[in-house]
Amino acid sequence: DGGITQSPKYLFRKEGQNVTLSCEQNLNHDAMYWYRQDPGQGLRLIYYSQIVNDFQKGDIAEGYSVSREKKESFPLTVTSAQKNPTAFYLCASSRDRGNGYTFGSGTRLTVV
Amino acid sequence: QKEVEQDPGPLSVPEGAIVSLNCTYSNSAFQYFMWYRQYSRKGPELLMYTYSSGNKEDGRFTAQVDKSSKYISLFIRDSQPSDSATYLCAMSAHSGAGSYQLTFGKGTKLSVIP
Repeated sequence: DGGITQSPKYLFRKEGQNVTLSCEQNLNHDAMYWYRQDPGQGLRLIYYSQIVNDFQKGDIAEGYSVSREKKESFPLTVTSAQKNPTAFYLCASSRDRGNGYTFGSGTRLTVV
Repeated sequence: QKEVEQDPGPLSVPEGAIVSLNCTYSNSAFQYFMWYRQYSRKGPELLMYTYSSGNKEDGRFTAQVDKSSKYISLFIRDSQPSDSATYLCAMSAHSGAGSYQLTFGKGTKLSVIP
């Protein structure tokens, strides 16, 4: 079955460490997105990519980095520069604007 | 003014009730309107999709779009405890090729009490 796989489901990080969240899709979608979800704040866009080897900053890109070397993969690195990284991270993909997004099941990152 | 406004709730209803969830928006360029359902600790799943104005029905769910009022609604008939979730509205504009971004509401948390 086609879908988006995010791993790991839960992740713990020590302060000062970088960590990479995985996102893989087999839907043949061109566009991929990373969102952060905090209680009461809704979904906030971190980065998005509409094509391989190209990506754009979203509303809250500071402290994050991404790469898009393959159509299927869009990993997110949370760097030590991100001041408040504890959150639920969601990856999504889309074929075009009319069909909406398909979301992964999310990664919950906790800084300890 | 935020682009999309959605009452966060929480909204608590008895089983069998009709539920009405709403969003207002300010960008008149929005043409595609969606509702997502998100269970706790899960990713959102697409529930309903509507293009431009009008109604769309799928089982117990009805989505309505009123572009003249910049107002969209999701109705749930005969609500069930399994409908307990957070519902997010989302919309996008008919912009240039390659621009696929959705603008989301913050979500309304719904609890259906048995």
